[in-house]
Amino acid sequence: SQKIEQNSEALNIQEGKTATLTCNYTNYSPAYLQWYRQDPGRGPVFLLLIRENEKEKRKERLKVTFDTTLKQSLFHITASQPADSATYLCALEPDTGRRALTFGSGTRLQVQP
Amino acid sequence: DTGVSQNPRHKITKRGQNVTFRCDPISEHNRLYWYRQTLGQGPEFLTYFQNEAQLEKSRLLSDRFSAERPKGSFSTLEIQRTEQGDSAMYLCASSFVPPKAGGLVSTDTQYFGPGTRLTVL
Repeated sequence: SQKIEQNSEALNIQEGKTATLTCNYTNYSPAYLQWYRQDPGRGPVFLLLIRENEKEKRKERLKVTFDTTLKQSLFHITASQPADSATYLCALEPDTGRRALTFGSGTRLQVQP
Repeated sequence: DTGVSQNPRHKITKRGQNVTFRCDPISEHNRLYWYRQTLGQGPEFLTYFQNEAQLEKSRLLSDRFSAERPKGSFSTLEIQRTEQGDSAMYLCASSFVPPKAGGLVSTDTQYFGPGTRLTVL
């Protein structure tokens, strides 16, 4: 069956450290993968998109990697800040051209000051 | 504010009542999506429109749910005869995907509204 798995356990880290979140998928062959941030009571906000032929993508303190062999994406936040505390969702388009995104259940990140 | 807006933000209703939610997408976006999200889960796709045409509906969308997007602008999602299991956050998202994207697979970055939280008593 098709699955997108993100660590359901909250990730607690100290301010200034690098947070690394994992997204694993099974029985999908996505052309690209996206990461969103969601704060409590709000809709998800797009952060980064990475295509299957890109190994790594960066935006300011954010970095995403995409390994189609391992079927895994890693999302890194360097020099983390308490304001980075949120739930981070990975999402992919299950079939190319079928526009509905399939989301993981998200990982909650808590950055301690 | 040029983002996606949704109304109402909160709705409490009694089981068996009908409810309607509205979504106003970003004005130049040609695609509009509805998702449902429950606590601790990611959003689950319900349906989407390209302009005014409803192109796909999820198996999750029972016949009590109906969505419209007249004139390809705002959209409404109606739930008839609500059940307690319908309690969730209903999210709307919009995007613009050009008709052609050359040799690359076109990507679809979706912009979400704040959601409508439905509680069915």
